[in-house]
Amino acid sequence: EVVLTQSPGTLSLSPGERATLSCRASQSVGSSYLAWYQQKPGQAPRLLIFGASSRATGIPDRFSGSGSGTDFTLTISRLEPEDFAVYYCQQYGSSSWTFGQGTKVEIK
Amino acid sequence: QVQLQESGPGLVQPSQTLSLTCTVSGGSINTAGYYWSWIRQHPGKGLEWIGFIYFSGSTYYNPSLQSRVTISIDTSENQFSLKLSSVTAADTAVYFCARDWGTGHWFDPWGQGTLVTVSS
Repeated sequence: EVVLTQSPGTLSLSPGERATLSCRASQSVGSSYLAWYQQKPGQAPRLLIFGASSRATGIPDRFSGSGSGTDFTLTISRLEPEDFAVYYCQQYGSSSWTFGQGTKVEIK
Repeated sequence: QVQLQESGPGLVQPSQTLSLTCTVSGGSINTAGYYWSWIRQHPGKGLEWIGFIYFSGSTYYNPSLQSRVTISIDTSENQFSLKLSSVTAADTAVYFCARDWGTGHWFDPWGQGTLVTVSS
């Protein structure tokens, strides 16, 4: 099973700042199989990025994904008030679906 | 657009079977290329994939839960269901249904989730 480790656990930033979230895999992940989600309290996760770098429908262009192999990054270029939430990465590989433990982006 | 909605009891007694149904609207469950999935989230914790079913009836489960999980599909009702047997307090979680895009195995959309508490 591929283990995804997200860092940092919590990111304290102000609106307008840039957020950089990391997702590291215990073994190589195909870029087609890496996704990012946003989850707000009491809500289901919402797909942001699929295929490591493709934005899902309706996702603002301030969200971008990059990376390959074992290291992937989600970047939020300028934080808006509605972006403060928990973010998860997720991978598929070797008939296994796993999620990272999440990064909480909180208001500083 | 496709929407998913979970339904089922919010309280299950220990050692009993948890049963949930996911109703799909706005599109047919009988569509090639999508895998209809269950995912759970323990309170305040991360996400755990439980398993999926394909429209053909093929299933695949998380090995850690495989012995207790059954996922079934009713294409006439556009629904799929989860059964988890011999539950304990460790199965208390919010259960989500979601559509897995087979091309890359990401999940979109998700149901709103339903909290299932295992307690006597």
